[in-house]
Amino acid sequence: AQSVTQLGSHVSVSEGALVLLRCNYSSSVPPYLFWYVQYPNQGLQLLLKYTTGATLVKGINGFEAEFKKSETSFHLTKPSAHMSDAAEYFCAVSDNPAAAGNKLTFGGGTRVLVKP
Amino acid sequence: GAVVSQHPSRVICKSGTSVKIECRSLDFQATTMFWYRQFPKQSLMLMATSNEGSKATYEQGVEKDKFLINHASLTLSTLTVTSAHPEDSSFYICSARVGGGATEAFFGQGTRLTVV
Repeated sequence: AQSVTQLGSHVSVSEGALVLLRCNYSSSVPPYLFWYVQYPNQGLQLLLKYTTGATLVKGINGFEAEFKKSETSFHLTKPSAHMSDAAEYFCAVSDNPAAAGNKLTFGGGTRVLVKP
Repeated sequence: GAVVSQHPSRVICKSGTSVKIECRSLDFQATTMFWYRQFPKQSLMLMATSNEGSKATYEQGVEKDKFLINHASLTLSTLTVTSAHPEDSSFYICSARVGGGATEAFFGQGTRLTVV
């Protein structure tokens, strides 16, 4: 079984400040990890993903995440927050990517508020 | 990236009626689609996995007769909420994978269902 824990359901940052969203996972096999963003009343948009190879992954909108196997973590960061970053962020894990029907397991989500 | 279109985006129906939600993969074939339900300020909960040409696989606790899923073609899956009640009001999201492997899932825009 796989699971994802996102620490902090809400994060408030000032515009221009560092954004750090925490994600820890558990998986019995090497995980494939994803971060998605959701704006109000919309579906999910992929920010970035980790599959294999380089553990520091860069995504869209200036976000990046680092896979740390020893810590079972995949924290998401952005050096400088923008007002448009205000949204809900979900971390997800997939542990059987070879199967087309493989399911994603989502964390509880973190709502980001950006203060001017 | 691949596009998943979900329709309608919003629907209001009377208690006791049925509502059909469509999920289409516009530029790729999806043998497998996923249906999620999202309550306000909560994460996505997988309801079922929709397989083209076969029966859907429902998650534990999801009523098969309540949430009918049909995946009649490689580009269309439908979710029908039968005899809807106010407690069925929620945000429903579908997703599809382009294929197996480490490919991400693409999400529809979601459907806001309100049962009055």
